[in-house]
Amino acid sequence: DIQMTQSPSSLSASVGDRVTITCQASQDISSYLNWYQQKPGKAPKLLIYDVSNLETGVPSRFSGSGSGTDFTFTINGLQPEDIATYYCQQYDNPPFTFGPGTKVYIK
Amino acid sequence: QVQLQESGPGLVRPSETLSLTCTVSSGSISSFYLTWIRQPPGKGLEWIGYISYNELTYYNPSLKSRLTISLDTPKNQFSLTLRSVTAADTAVYYCARCSAAGRCYWGQGTLVTVSS
Repeated sequence: DIQMTQSPSSLSASVGDRVTITCQASQDISSYLNWYQQKPGKAPKLLIYDVSNLETGVPSRFSGSGSGTDFTFTINGLQPEDIATYYCQQYDNPPFTFGPGTKVYIK
Repeated sequence: QVQLQESGPGLVRPSETLSLTCTVSSGSISSFYLTWIRQPPGKGLEWIGYISYNELTYYNPSLKSRLTISLDTPKNQFSLTLRSVTAADTAVYYCARCSAAGRCYWGQGTLVTVSS
């Protein structure tokens, strides 16, 4: 199985800050990477697919980059409604594993 | 817009079989990969497996010996069966309709507790 790691496991930032989360795959996954947002008690919501493509209706302050094994997710201008846990997921080879998540708090 | 809804018992006894159904409405299941994912309380996401529109399956090796995913195309439904459950199978179970490009629409999830 492809192992996904994320860092940090949690972070605290102020409204308006730029927030960056990294995700690393245990092997090359090309560009087959999603980013999800999960709020408490809710299903995960797809924000970004294929590393950097914004899902329809997702605000442009969210972005992604990377390729191969190293990926980055950024929120440019953190908003109170962005408080959530963020997961990366590879879909290069099944099982399509998720990272352990990054919990984002408001400072 | 496509909607997915999980249904099934919320409580299953240890050693018994967990069965869930996902109904897909306002959308087709043709050309998609019908997927199950679970999340134990307070923990991360575990990808369980999928069945394709042409009934090819892939199961997570960690669950393969206990798992069956099936498809009922006329009813726009797919199902999960997990045998010989233990407390470690307690989780919110999500169904999802995924394209080959990895874009998935998820159901709201259903909590299944394994307890006597």
